[in-house]
Amino acid sequence: SQQGEEDPQALSIQEGENATMNCSYKTSINNLQWYRQNSGRGLVHLILIRSNEREKHSGRLRVTLDTSKKSSSLLITASRAADTASYFCATARQGAQKLVFGQGTRLTINP
Amino acid sequence: KAGVTQTPRYLIKTRGQQVTLSCSPISGHRSVSWYQQTPGQGLQFLFEYFSETQRNKGNFPGRFSGRQFSNSRSEMNVSTLELGDSALYLCASSVNRVGETQYFGPGTRLLVL
Repeated sequence: SQQGEEDPQALSIQEGENATMNCSYKTSINNLQWYRQNSGRGLVHLILIRSNEREKHSGRLRVTLDTSKKSSSLLITASRAADTASYFCATARQGAQKLVFGQGTRLTINP
Repeated sequence: KAGVTQTPRYLIKTRGQQVTLSCSPISGHRSVSWYQQTPGQGLQFLFEYFSETQRNKGNFPGRFSGRQFSNSRSEMNVSTLELGDSALYLCASSVNRVGETQYFGPGTRLLVL
């Protein structure tokens, strides 16, 4: 079963707008990671946020983590057509030797 | 450094056959994980190998197996293929642990007819 659940399942916005995706999970975690996947290809790591961190930035990406609500959000600012992809959150649970992925958010950036 | 490579990229098999997929991790990475991705079930963890030992296994039948060689290269095998095994199989490597950043290969797309 999937630990992470992304919301929304699909998101379509205009180029230049900001895109926000949310992820909820069920158990205590060591860290939470966000990945991007372009059209059925391999996943690309975007950012890792540890359980003792609340916010992290990387270029146009901003990730927040609220461990009390067991949720995270990924914000992509000033979106570009190249950001069109599926975005997945993945959680690394304490003591577990695997990543558990959510179902993903399919983001479409319209020119 | 070269990225994670997977071979073959595409494969067509018929029910009942077996298949072997190969993964070469990034140089220096000792942990290799395998995932199955399907439209219905999403990304599901198959197993993880570290120093030639399987450290963790997902909820897949025994038809799915794997191994890791001394150079960290890994193979996964699926025996007695079923239609439902059609999927994108992704390999990922990390330095030591699955909980670290995972570096994914391009995947092997398997179609079972």
